[in-house]
This record gives sequence, C-alpha cells and structure tokens, in this order.
Amino acid sequence: QVTLRESGPALVKPTQTLTLTCTFSGFSLTTSEMCVSWIRQPPGKALEWLARIDSDDSKYYTTSLMTRLTISKDTSKNQVLLTMTNMDPVDTATYYCARIAGCGSGDYYFDYWGQGTLVTVSS
Amino acid sequence: DIQMTQSPSTLSAFVGDRVTITCRASQSIIRWLAWYQQKPGKAPKLLIYKASSLESGVPSRFSGSGSGTEFTLTISSLQPDDFANYYCQQYNSFPWTFGQGTKVEIK
Repeated sequence: QVTLRESGPALVKPTQTLTLTCTFSGFSLTTSEMCVSWIRQPPGKALEWLARIDSDDSKYYTTSLMTRLTISKDTSKNQVLLTMTNMDPVDTATYYCARIAGCGSGDYYFDYWGQGTLVTVSS
Repeated sequence: DIQMTQSPSTLSAFVGDRVTITCRASQSIIRWLAWYQQKPGKAPKLLIYKASSLESGVPSRFSGSGSGTEFTLTISSLQPDDFANYYCQQYNSFPWTFGQGTKVEIK
C-alpha cells in the first residue's frame, strides 16, 4: 500500500535553513504518472501548496516562496527532500508531503498524504 | 494567483441533514478542482477530484458538481463521522491554491 512519512527537526531557529524528508513506499517516482508535492498548514489556518517534483526532475514552486525553496529527490531511497532557507516564526506549520498519481494526465490532485510534521520556528 | 473562496466558513447541521459547501474561483479553473476532508490533528483526505469524480472508498453521500468558477460539495445525509473541516483546491494553474476551509459542526 501507499505510504508517505515526513521527518525533520521539530524546532528551528529564525534565519536557519529547514530540511525535511519525505520517505515513501508503494509507488515509484520513476514513472511519469507520479509526482510528489509539499504542502503546509499553519496552526488553525488553511493549507498552502509549496512545491512539486516530477519523475523527470521537473520542479515547480509557489511564487511567494520560490526564492527560499528547493525540492529534490533520491529515487534510490524513495525520498523527496524540501529545503527552506531563512526560516521565520511565520513559517511555523505542519508540513505534509503528498502523492499525485495523475501527473501524466494533468490530474494534479493529492491522493495520498503523509501524517505531517510540525515545525516550530522560535529562538 | 487564483483565489479560492469557500462559503460558509462554518456550518452547523444535524445528523441526517443535506449539506452544501460552495467554492468560488477568481477565474475559470474548468473542472480542475478537488475536495478534501480534514479532521483535527490528521492529514487531509481526498474526497472528490476533477470537480465531480468520487475517490475510491469515499461514501456515495458525498458528491461534487460545478465548472468554470463555481463548485459545490454536497453531503446528502450528514453522518457523525462527517463533522470535520473541508477544503477545495484548484489545480488548473500554478500556484495551486486552496480555499480557506469550511468547518462542519454538530448543531
């Protein structure tokens, strides 16, 4: 079955760089139909899409955070990484990774999600 | 960016009620819209994709409709397990955006 799991630090200081890892199983990022995204949700607020990576290593970012985000993958480890530079308290949120199984057909909905990891930015 | 506006923000209803949530897009997204259900402390769960396609395993009391800029999620007979937050998401163009959410509460 398909599973995704996020991991990374729970606490980050302002100005530091955050690196999160999404480890997945049950599918492969080597097929054109699959891609993986990161989404975040500040406490009590709405969801915000952050980034997407495709099997061919194409990358897409939300415009407001484009200069701070980098998404990458390690297909041998079934992992997708997200780095976010210059962290600020407003970046405190639960960060989710999610699978998109319709990348080959343009159906970019998230059918499987990880449980999420809460990242707090505080000195 | 395409703005997604959900209404209402909060909805109070009885078990057995028919419930409708609306999602409006600031420009046409054709039918590239998904609906998710989220319970406290949990990840979102996909309910509907491509505006009206029911995800496998989702109860048939959930349905979606609409096209262009106006979409609805309907729960035909609200069940105790349905009290949650609901979000719409457009994937017509980057950046993909979500609505602000609708909380469905017990009346």
